Parts: sequence; structure tokens; C-alpha cells
Amino acid sequence: AVQLTQSPSSLSASVGDTVSISCRASQDIGGALAWYQQTPGKPPNLLIYDASNLEGGVPSRFSGSGSGTDFTLTISSLQPEDFTTYYCEQFANYPLTFGGGTKVEI
Amino acid sequence: EAQLVESGGDLVQPGGSLRLSCAAAGFSFGATYMAWVRQAPGKGLEWVANLGPGGGPTYYADSVKGRFTISRDNAKSSLYLQVNSLRVEDTAVYYCARDPPRGGAYFDLWGQGTLVTVS
Repeated sequence: AVQLTQSPSSLSASVGDTVSISCRASQDIGGALAWYQQTPGKPPNLLIYDASNLEGGVPSRFSGSGSGTDFTLTISSLQPEDFTTYYCEQFANYPLTFGGGTKVEI
Repeated sequence: EAQLVESGGDLVQPGGSLRLSCAAAGFSFGATYMAWVRQAPGKGLEWVANLGPGGGPTYYADSVKGRFTISRDNAKSSLYLQVNSLRVEDTAVYYCARDPPRGGAYFDLWGQGTLVTVS
């Protein structure tokens, strides 16, 4: 199974900051990576698919990059509602796998 | 508006069984891959199973293979997960999720989840 390692597991930032979250795959997955945001008590919300495509309705301050084994989610100009948890998911191979999550804290 | 609504979660003893259901509305359910994803309390996301539009192909996580069965009834726009031989470590919120119509085994629509507690 493809293992996804997210880093950092948590980070502290301020409103207006730009932050980056890394997701590293244990093998080449091409561009088959998605990013989700999850607030406590809610289901995940798709942000990015195919590594860099912004899902409809998602603010443009979210962006994704990378291919192969190294991927990055960047959030520009953090807003108060962005302080929550983010997950990556690979869909190149079954079993589908998720990263361990990154919590963005104020 | 597209939506997914899960039901069937409960408190069950180890070794017990449940049938989880997911009612879909607002999109072409019969043309869409569907999935179950779970999240243990305070933990991350874990994919459980995927199912193709016509009832196949099916894919399962190793942790549930042989114990869980994913199925669907397109006439009722419903997805199911039969969970047998439950273990304490199966305790989680179980989410029903949709693969996007454009293709790709990621999830663009999620239900609110149903809680399964094994104790």
C-alpha cells in the first residue's frame, strides 16, 4: 500500500500568514492526489484534486502543487475559518490511503 | 442539491453485526462510484471500501476484507455497508462518500456520518 506522510503534524500561524503543508508518498503516484479540509464534527471537504486543480467553490487562496512523490498544499493569507485540519489522499492505487493529517492552529 | 444521508450506526458488542445505509439524492446515483470512509474518535481518515456504478467492481481495505460487504440498490439510490464480526477497533464515524462524476477515486460529496461504537 502507498503510505502518505504529512508534515508537519501541526503548525501555528496567524491570520494573514501563508502556510505550506507537505505530503510525501512512499512511491510514485503521478498526480493522483487530493487535499481535504475538515473542521471538528463535520465531514471532510474537498479542496484540491489531481494535485493542483481547485475544486469548485473553494477560495483561490488554496493551491496545490507537486507530482510523483512530493506534494504541497499552500494556503495564502490565512483566514480565521482556515484554522482546522487538513488531509491528503492518494488515489493512484488501491487501497486508497490518507495522510495522518495536519492541524493548523492560531 | 446533491446530498448523502447515512443511518444505521449503533452501539454493538464485539462480534456483532450492523447494516449501514446511505440515501443519495440530487445526482445520478446509478452512474457514480461510491465509497465508505471511516474515522475513529480523535483519529484520521481511513478508506473502507469502494463500489462501481453497476454493483462492481468492489475494493476493500485489508482491515475489513472478509468482514464488511459494500453493496448498492440503484433503484432506491442507496448504498449499504454490511459490517460483521465487529471489533473494538471498528469504532468510528462511518461516512458515505461519492467519487466525482468526472472520474478519480477521491471524494467530492460526503454525508454527515453515522457512529458505530463497538463495546
